[in-house]
Amino acid sequence: QSVLTQPSSVSGAPGQRITISCTGSSSNIGDGFDVHWYQQLPGTVPKLLIYNNSSRPSGVPDRFSASRSGTSASLAITGLRAEDETDYYCQSYDSSLSGFVFGTGTKVTVL
Amino acid sequence: EVHLVQSGAEVKRPGESLKISCETSGYNFATHWIGWVRQVPGKGLEWVGIIYPGDSDTRYSPSFEGQVTISADTSVGVAFLQWTSLKTSDTAIYFCARHWEGDWFDPWGQGTLVTVSS
Repeated sequence: QSVLTQPSSVSGAPGQRITISCTGSSSNIGDGFDVHWYQQLPGTVPKLLIYNNSSRPSGVPDRFSASRSGTSASLAITGLRAEDETDYYCQSYDSSLSGFVFGTGTKVTVL
Repeated sequence: EVHLVQSGAEVKRPGESLKISCETSGYNFATHWIGWVRQVPGKGLEWVGIIYPGDSDTRYSPSFEGQVTISADTSVGVAFLQWTSLKTSDTAIYFCARHWEGDWFDPWGQGTLVTVSS
């Protein structure tokens, strides 16, 4: 029951900047709940990329940044690299569902 | 360092029961929530539920309530996800992940592939 909507795919050329949106509602992002982002390489475990809307865990390059505003959030990747070609998911908490929710997922393609 | 190691892949028939595990180390298991996430191959992530091992307080996604049971054994630092009667639609990879107070999940176990087929 994905209540966070992401574009199914986003593409860009090497070196470019892309953004991935995560659209929620008044019961999740709009209710003030933080947004977190995960990167999942093919056949691997989801890896925490951004927590608390815009914080990067140790080891995550500063090419990755994120923000939250109103009922949505976005992840930006600058200086796009071939290794960034994979799936990205946003995640938050929903007060109506009383539980955690993930975005629909976005596949990033490096042209 | 925090580690979550899950039990191996399972192949089951519809109607059979199953209990998979998530063995933790490197932190105080009893005082941190631990969650389960499902991923049907080729599809997105779905939150299944979460447990606080210290008092076994458990919350489920409405989509999974009554379909699975989450438990934990604080004496060995292991969380469990179990089914009493599997369906073919339960075929998926199931991940466990440690929950942080800010409501994110990190790290994640390596995943357990559950295949239900007649």
